[in-house]
Amino acid sequence: DTGVSQDPRHKITKRGQNVTFRCDPISEHNRLYWYRQTLGQGPEFLTYFQNEAQLEKSRLLSDRFSAERPKGSFSTLEIQRTEQGDSAMYLCASSSRLNTEAFFGQGTRLTVV
Amino acid sequence: ELKVEQNPLFLSMQEGKNYTIYCDYSTTSDRLYWYRQDPGKSLESLFVLLSNGAVKQEGRLMASLDTKARLSTLHITAAVHDLSATYFCAVDEGAQKLVFGQGTRLTINP
Repeated sequence: DTGVSQDPRHKITKRGQNVTFRCDPISEHNRLYWYRQTLGQGPEFLTYFQNEAQLEKSRLLSDRFSAERPKGSFSTLEIQRTEQGDSAMYLCASSSRLNTEAFFGQGTRLTVV
Repeated sequence: ELKVEQNPLFLSMQEGKNYTIYCDYSTTSDRLYWYRQDPGKSLESLFVLLSNGAVKQEGRLMASLDTKARLSTLHITAAVHDLSATYFCAVDEGAQKLVFGQGTRLTINP
């Protein structure tokens, strides 16, 4: 499968715990995006990388959130001290300058209890 | 700040009928995307519209883009139950960073 891969698909965690999600983009895609989607809403942009450089962060990305893409390939999104309001689907997408669109992964559904 | 609005947000229709979903956006962009999302699933790309006047069709769905009016439409012809889903439009803010509409939840009844 050469699509965007996200892991885990589902995560249940207790409030206050830290969680980390992983995204493997399509091979050779140099752009990688993270979005968050809460129930009944459209996805909202969180951050994006071009290669290993994080070029933009949304104001939605509080200081409890950190994203990395250390070698310009896979990316991780960490949430520290999770809150119930962090419960959402976290979507990753990737693209290249040659593409006209970004391709989305299956998402990681986070439930904070 | 780019804003994207869809209308209607909820749509219940009968099989065999036609309907249109509208997507308005607030600032200039010449790239617009339509996605389908089934409950609990990720986004499935339907159409990529890259220029003013672009029209694309796939099966019973047809999408168009008017960049001067900042409006896109998704037209459903002779709806069937399998098209029940939530449909999102998204506008490219640059570097393929997308701003999504609120989504239109479409229910097609037999």
